[in-house]
Amino acid sequence: EVQLLESGGSLVQPGGSLRLSCAASGFTFASYAMSWVRQTPGKGLEWVSTLSGSGGSTYYADSVRGRFTVSRDNSKNTLYLQMSSLRGEDTAVYYCTKNSRYGSSSPFNYWGQGTLVTVSS
Amino acid sequence: DIQMTQSPSSLSASVGDRVTITCQASQDITNCLNWYQQKPGKAPKLLIYDASNLETGVPSRFSGSGSGTDFTFTISSLQPEDIATYYCQQYDNLPFTFGPGTKVDIK
Repeated sequence: EVQLLESGGSLVQPGGSLRLSCAASGFTFASYAMSWVRQTPGKGLEWVSTLSGSGGSTYYADSVRGRFTVSRDNSKNTLYLQMSSLRGEDTAVYYCTKNSRYGSSSPFNYWGQGTLVTVSS
Repeated sequence: DIQMTQSPSSLSASVGDRVTITCQASQDITNCLNWYQQKPGKAPKLLIYDASNLETGVPSRFSGSGSGTDFTFTISSLQPEDIATYYCQQYDNLPFTFGPGTKVDIK
């Protein structure tokens, strides 16, 4: 059974940093691209970033490029999202998702339960 | 960026009714269109991928069709457990974008 378990969400001040983790199990982690998608009440679902199975290719939404860094440790079956220079508009539930194929352009066929990031002073 | 629109934004229907949601892309996305279901307090769940393919384990009352810019999602016979918000999403071009969602409830 595929499981994705996010952690690391919390309250952080504007300008601060945070690292989210996603522990994956139930599939061959290195064989699939992985992504982060966030959700806010006001803006709905927003794709944030995708990382290829090897970790060699990364893709970011314009809204986070230069501030967020996605990475993975295939030996630990874990996906990360390092977030810096956080802004109020980054407040959201962040979902870790598994892409359905090795390639980064593919459906998100499994989602974690989400972790809440709140950026506020 | 490719803009995704959905209609209606919400609907109420009776159990057993046929429910149809439409999704339109701002440019041709061939068949790179997925449909997700999100129940309150839960993560989205993939139902339909590549416009018309049913994800494994998803009931056959759910279906999708379309290509290019116009897509349709159908629930052939609405069930109480189908109460949720449904989102379309394109993955033809980066950034991948979602529609605003259609909230479905029981009349």
